[in-house]
Amino acid sequence: NAGVTQTPKFQVLKTGQSMTLQCAQDMNHEYMSWYRQDPGMGLRLIHYSVGAGITDQGEVPNGYNVSRSTTEDFPLRLLSAAPSQTSVYFCASSSRGYEQYFGPGTRLTVT
Amino acid sequence: KNQVEQSPQSLIILEGKNCTLQCNYTVSPFSNLRWYKQDTGRGPVSLTIMTFSENTKSNGRYTATLDADTKQSSLHITASQLSDSASYICVVSGSFNKFYFGSGTKLNVKP
Repeated sequence: NAGVTQTPKFQVLKTGQSMTLQCAQDMNHEYMSWYRQDPGMGLRLIHYSVGAGITDQGEVPNGYNVSRSTTEDFPLRLLSAAPSQTSVYFCASSSRGYEQYFGPGTRLTVT
Repeated sequence: KNQVEQSPQSLIILEGKNCTLQCNYTVSPFSNLRWYKQDTGRGPVSLTIMTFSENTKSNGRYTATLDADTKQSSLHITASQLSDSASYICVVSGSFNKFYFGSGTKLNVKP
């Protein structure tokens, strides 16, 4: 049981490049979400999904896209990277109303 | 506005001492309150989760309290160890699957 896995662990992008952050969970959780964590701030919700085929925006969705074609996977796409998107990104999953499990994070730098 | 505020922002204590971290929230409706421990470079890991009717919950040397009337919670750490050095995050869950994160308390335990 691997829990929540994220790849890559580190990534450096140039402004304007696009990329996909991968997230997978093997706990059959319905609910998955993406957060970003910036220094001195709490985690902020980017997008979330309550099940395969269903996604919705969180607090800071601009510049990011998501899709949920399977229960296990929830990739986050950066369409055109900007320096303001330099952050640590966490994926999390949970079963309804219960504890959230977080992945190890992806540290992204946009130059 | 739904908010979670934590204090202090940072704390330094000597190994073996006790400490208490505070969390005040204005989230409504309230579903549950969780405390997470986040080691540097890692994702948050759950310590405790409390619902409206629970006012104390322990996990080893960690004891969380909740006063739903005053909308306050505390996390007490007993006989601190060097491995307790981490950020501690208070998370309040409101309506279905909406989580509100505090910005965390950074604890440094010194030998």
